[in-house]
Amino acid sequence: AQSVAQPEDQVNVAEGNPLTVKCTYSVSGNPYLFWYVQYPNRGLQFLLKYITGDNLVKGSYGFEAEFNKSQTSFHLKKPSALVSDSALYFCAVNPRNAGNMLTFGGGTRLMVKP
Amino acid sequence: GAGVSQSPSNKVTEKGKDVELRCDPISGHTALYWYRQSLGQGLEFLIYFQGNSAPDKSGLPSDRFSAERTGGSVSTLTIQRTQQEDSAVYLCASRYPGSEQFFGPGTRLTVL
Repeated sequence: AQSVAQPEDQVNVAEGNPLTVKCTYSVSGNPYLFWYVQYPNRGLQFLLKYITGDNLVKGSYGFEAEFNKSQTSFHLKKPSALVSDSALYFCAVNPRNAGNMLTFGGGTRLMVKP
Repeated sequence: GAGVSQSPSNKVTEKGKDVELRCDPISGHTALYWYRQSLGQGLEFLIYFQGNSAPDKSGLPSDRFSAERTGGSVSTLTIQRTQQEDSAVYLCASRYPGSEQFFGPGTRLTVL
């Protein structure tokens, strides 16, 4: 069975500093990998995805993620955090099955302080 | 264009009552998903519709849960004889072939 781990319930970072939100997965084969963000009382918003190709994926709002096959990781990064980046972040995998259902990590709350 | 919409945004019901949650996917999206977001279980897949194919119900937690999708568009998730553990945010998502999933704002269900 596939699983996704986000080892940090919360990440605190000062505005302007770089941020990393960690994600590791356990899925057979070559899954699709995603990051979504959730603001309070809102649905999930797509940030970026890895399908194939370059291991560094760039997405919305200046976020990027690095796929590392040997470490089965897909960490989310941003060079300079904004207070408005404060939200709940979810990593998800799709094992390329017929239904493309997503398996989510438990989420990481990012707090960016001025 | 318009995104995925869900109604109601909030639903409070009494234990034992039936509830219906509605999802309007993005026009032209052939695939539709229901997920549940709860404090104890995180985000979990419930059911998946693709075109006119039989739905994948593998994520439904019990036979009190059912869903249908009429005309390949609007979907309704029905929970019969609600229990307190059904309290959660129910999220709907849709996608077209090759795209990521686009999520609606969710319906917050509270079972008293």
